[in-house]
Amino acid sequence: EPEVTQTPSHQVTQMGQEVILRCVPISNHLYFYWYRQILGQKVEFLVSFYNNEISEKSEIFDDQFSVERPDGSNFTLKIRSTKLEDSAMYFCASSEATGQGRNTIYFGEGSWLTVV
Amino acid sequence: AQTVTQSQPEMSVQEAETVTLSCTYDTSENNYYLFWYKQPPSRQMILVIRQEAYKQQNATENRFSVNFQKAAKSFSLKISDSQLGDTAMYFCAFMKDFGNEKLTFGTGTRLTIIP
Repeated sequence: EPEVTQTPSHQVTQMGQEVILRCVPISNHLYFYWYRQILGQKVEFLVSFYNNEISEKSEIFDDQFSVERPDGSNFTLKIRSTKLEDSAMYFCASSEATGQGRNTIYFGEGSWLTVV
Repeated sequence: AQTVTQSQPEMSVQEAETVTLSCTYDTSENNYYLFWYKQPPSRQMILVIRQEAYKQQNATENRFSVNFQKAAKSFSLKISDSQLGDTAMYFCAFMKDFGNEKLTFGTGTRLTIIP
């Protein structure tokens, strides 16, 4: 079964450093997302991306965050200058543009970011 | 804005028994989708079941079924013949029916299946 893949599974970084989290969405999906889950809390929406541009972003997604689809398969989340409070599990997700699979979002296994 | 409420932070049940997890939501939308996601200790988010609000029939997926009460804005998940592998955090989530909108999650219910 097709799946969303994410790398790295776990990254430890020093405060102030830049981090790039990578994702390969399901191949026929056209909508891409990043979500965040701070330990012990609920999953929160960060950003959605379609047709090479951001379609929606949350208040969390401030200027230190950016997303990019650098080629036909990867979707990345960059955190420019990490803070302690950025420590969380980051989930990439994707969904189809049309058909029955529309409006069903499939998640990757997550990238656990620890900022020290 | 939509809100999703899961009022049971933790539940436990004996293996092979049936358990029901509660979820309520608040929205002014008429058309929307509701989901249950499972998050085992590995922390992966796994889709369990999906319900379209315009469908009156409750969704079922093998041992998993929902009780969707649109007027009451209630969306509970029933797990029948529970198995040890069902031990996980379960999140209820809401999505508006327009384009590919974001999911709004509840705070989750931690379910433990006791051998």
